[in-house]
Amino acid sequence: DADVTQTPRNRITKTGKRIMLECSQTKGHDRMYWYRQDPGLGLQLIYYSFDVKDINKGEISDGYSVSRQAQAKFSLSLESAIPNQTALYFCATRGRGSTDTQYFGPGTRLTVL
Amino acid sequence: GENVEQHPSTLSVQEGDSAVIKCTYSDSASNYFPWYKQELGKGPQLIIDIRSNVGEKKDQRIAVTLNKTAKHFSLHITETQPEDSAVYFCAAIPNDYKLSFGAGTTVTVRA
Repeated sequence: DADVTQTPRNRITKTGKRIMLECSQTKGHDRMYWYRQDPGLGLQLIYYSFDVKDINKGEISDGYSVSRQAQAKFSLSLESAIPNQTALYFCATRGRGSTDTQYFGPGTRLTVL
Repeated sequence: GENVEQHPSTLSVQEGDSAVIKCTYSDSASNYFPWYKQELGKGPQLIIDIRSNVGEKKDQRIAVTLNKTAKHFSLHITETQPEDSAVYFCAAIPNDYKLSFGAGTTVTVRA
């Protein structure tokens, strides 16, 4: 089984709808991240969590919210989706060490019409 | 925060030739520099990394070099093969434990 799983893998929705993307990990890591990927812009950090009670905004948090339901689960929500939130979304996890490997999920392709 | 610049954005090489991707970083406190490979439809996967106390690291056909004084690091792929075609990302991590990524390089290996 994959260490980091994301659901759904693909989602098409309409403007104004609420969307939740889910992430689960079996690595036992405290630190979890949500990234957005757009062509030519690399990976932009949306939110990150260093443990269940510690949630922080990243570079592009406007229009997004997150919930850390447990050490292994970190969800990303779009309260009212808009077309420019169409992108590929990745969840990631890593250990506490500054040089620990960061593991990525397979991604969720979100299209907002 | 850390700012990582990556060049080139696209790279086309003949099979068997070498490919080089270069990155610069801004925060002198950064001490860990991983490289990720992203294949179509998949999430990025770590292929090699280097710590700030090391100048070069090799793993088969892949090598990474680090120049702390100039604040730049590079990925070298020798004897390229079709399966090396992918998007490659460099990253750096300063003391706040968040990776900052470059914009990515799309590598195409021509048969």
